[in-house]
Amino acid sequence: KNEVEQSPQNLTAQEGEFITINCSYSVGISALHWLQQHPGGGIVSLFMLSSGKKKHGRLIATINIQEKHSSLHITASHPRDSAVYICARGGADGLTFGKGTHLIIQP
Amino acid sequence: DGGITQSPKYLFRKEGQNVTLSCEQNLNHDAMYWYRQDPGQGLRLIYYSQIVNDFQKGDIAEGYSVSREKKESFPLTVTSAQKNPTAFYLCASGTGVNQPQHFGDGTRLSIL
Repeated sequence: KNEVEQSPQNLTAQEGEFITINCSYSVGISALHWLQQHPGGGIVSLFMLSSGKKKHGRLIATINIQEKHSSLHITASHPRDSAVYICARGGADGLTFGKGTHLIIQP
Repeated sequence: DGGITQSPKYLFRKEGQNVTLSCEQNLNHDAMYWYRQDPGQGLRLIYYSQIVNDFQKGDIAEGYSVSREKKESFPLTVTSAQKNPTAFYLCASGTGVNQPQHFGDGTRLSIL
């Protein structure tokens, strides 16, 4: 059983919609990471958070430590947001990754 | 510009051959990582190194080997002992455990 579960696995939405991707983890963390993988395969780190909420442009990440749950939100979604979004748990043994959420934003 | 360079982008291997994937970083990061990505699965850690001349096995190290002779370089060798080497391989670096990692663009390995 993967320690990090993401939902949904696949998400297709229309341009402009508000997007939410969820991440649950089963063991304690030192930090929770959100990453974006582009169709070509390259990965960029979006957020690292251990409490509360972080915002960068149209992206917002939240975490609830007690519930072991994090969400990634995208406001005013755009086709260029189409990518795989990956949640990763940070612990003493490094990062443990979820399987990713494949997001497609249609014009 | 600082970053991580992986080469080649695509690599083909004949059965029974060893192949080496290159990973170079100029970010002055101490820690470097190799991950394997298969369709429908999360990234899995193969090997990591937190300092020059030292490295540790990850979750799926069997059939792989690494070296860390220089801070900038962390090559991965996929040996003939790796029975299912076809995958997408990603190299990353960071300033330490639990810090954000910077990723290369990956190498896609296929078996002929």
